[in-house]
Amino acid sequence: GAVVSQHPSRVICKSGTSVKIECRSLDFQATTMFWYRQFPKQSLMLMATSNEGSKATYEQGVEKDKFLINHASLTLSTLTVTSAHPEDSSFYICSARELGRAGDRETQYFGPGTRLLVL
Amino acid sequence: AQSVAQPEDQVNVAEGNPLTVKCTYSVSGNPYLFWYVQYPNRGLQFLLKYITGDNLVKGSYGFEAEFNKSQTSFHLKKPSALVSDSALYFCAAYTNAGKSTFGDGTTLTVKP
Repeated sequence: GAVVSQHPSRVICKSGTSVKIECRSLDFQATTMFWYRQFPKQSLMLMATSNEGSKATYEQGVEKDKFLINHASLTLSTLTVTSAHPEDSSFYICSARELGRAGDRETQYFGPGTRLLVL
Repeated sequence: AQSVAQPEDQVNVAEGNPLTVKCTYSVSGNPYLFWYVQYPNRGLQFLLKYITGDNLVKGSYGFEAEFNKSQTSFHLKKPSALVSDSALYFCAAYTNAGKSTFGDGTTLTVKP
């Protein structure tokens, strides 16, 4: 159980276009989803936390208008990179925390990641 | 501020030898501590966690970790390393703000 999927797994786009990444919890309901960015051989940088039905909470330094996050249901969150530029190229990972699982509220389950390359 | 430190960027061990990946933490209140593993171009996989109870926690793939309150440590261990254990390992602490704080990661390389 507790599987999280991401789509697409890899995307290449031209500078100036927008890219949408989907994160789904497949077999559980996620009260909270997180979006991370990871550079090569570096730790995870938390970008934002989203709760279903409410606005995402962005970390300091993350542009809200650049990285649009929507958490429309308990199983789906999307990250849209608007007007992408080469410096946005990175590995984006989502994670989800399960609603109501006794003794396991704290565990985050991660998606497989999306590799974004902006040309 | 709450933090998690992994003092070693890289750990190298020979296959069959025991391995230790170190983690220390600084959090307020009772810590919830986790280990995750990441293989190349993949997301993180949950290995084990400490919430309460026994200080020695057993997890997936033969890994275990020992919670040491006095030393504020949560080192990951395995008695006999496999080449397939080579990966990037992250220690994390769940905070009362509802977020997890991650260490910078330790690359484990197990040589045949």
